Amino acid sequence: GQQVMQIPQYQHVQEGEDFTTYCNSSTTLSNIQWYKQRPGGHPVFLIQLVKSGEVKKQKRLTFQFGEAKKNSSLHITATQTTDVGTYFCAGREWDMRFGAGTRLTVKP
Amino acid sequence: DTAVSQTPKYLVTQMGNDKSIKCEQNLGHDTMYWYKQDSKKFLKIMFSYNNKELIINETVPNRFSPKSPDKAHLNLHINSLELGDSAVYFCASSRTGTGGNEQFFGPGTRLTVL
Repeated sequence: GQQVMQIPQYQHVQEGEDFTTYCNSSTTLSNIQWYKQRPGGHPVFLIQLVKSGEVKKQKRLTFQFGEAKKNSSLHITATQTTDVGTYFCAGREWDMRFGAGTRLTVKP
Repeated sequence: DTAVSQTPKYLVTQMGNDKSIKCEQNLGHDTMYWYKQDSKKFLKIMFSYNNKELIINETVPNRFSPKSPDKAHLNLHINSLELGDSAVYFCASSRTGTGGNEQFFGPGTRLTVL
């Protein structure tokens, strides 16, 4: 069945360091979405990638969709304490499936 | 205005009880979802409704029964609650589209079964 794997499960960084989370699918995806969930909050949509090899940026966040449309990454440059939270990818084959999430903690 | 609302926000109950969680969206979306998020933060889809019709029904015990009286509402009724049902339940909605559309999540309902 459709599965979306996400690594790492946890990441602890010093403020100012970079952070990357990776998402991999066993099947080709029609699109991939990224969400952020702050502690105690609910998932909030960040971005959607549709095209093979697509790269999108939101300030310090860079999102990539692989050429084969089976993997994606989210990279944060120079993390800040406001980046703390769990980042989820969600890939669509027949329907949207969420990865397990990467929980990011940032030490000031 | 709240886009996706859920009630109650917290629910504490005894094993064996029956409880309901309500969800409403005012975004005009035609697809709604229920997710369960456990203590490890795994976000697992339970049900998806499109125009009041059940689209996705994952391997969820039949003690869980969703009901969609109209496109703006998707309620979740749980019978004979068990300890393992303790989790945060999120409702979400989205537009329907082959390209996939962003999901708007409600604030969540934290269910604790004692």
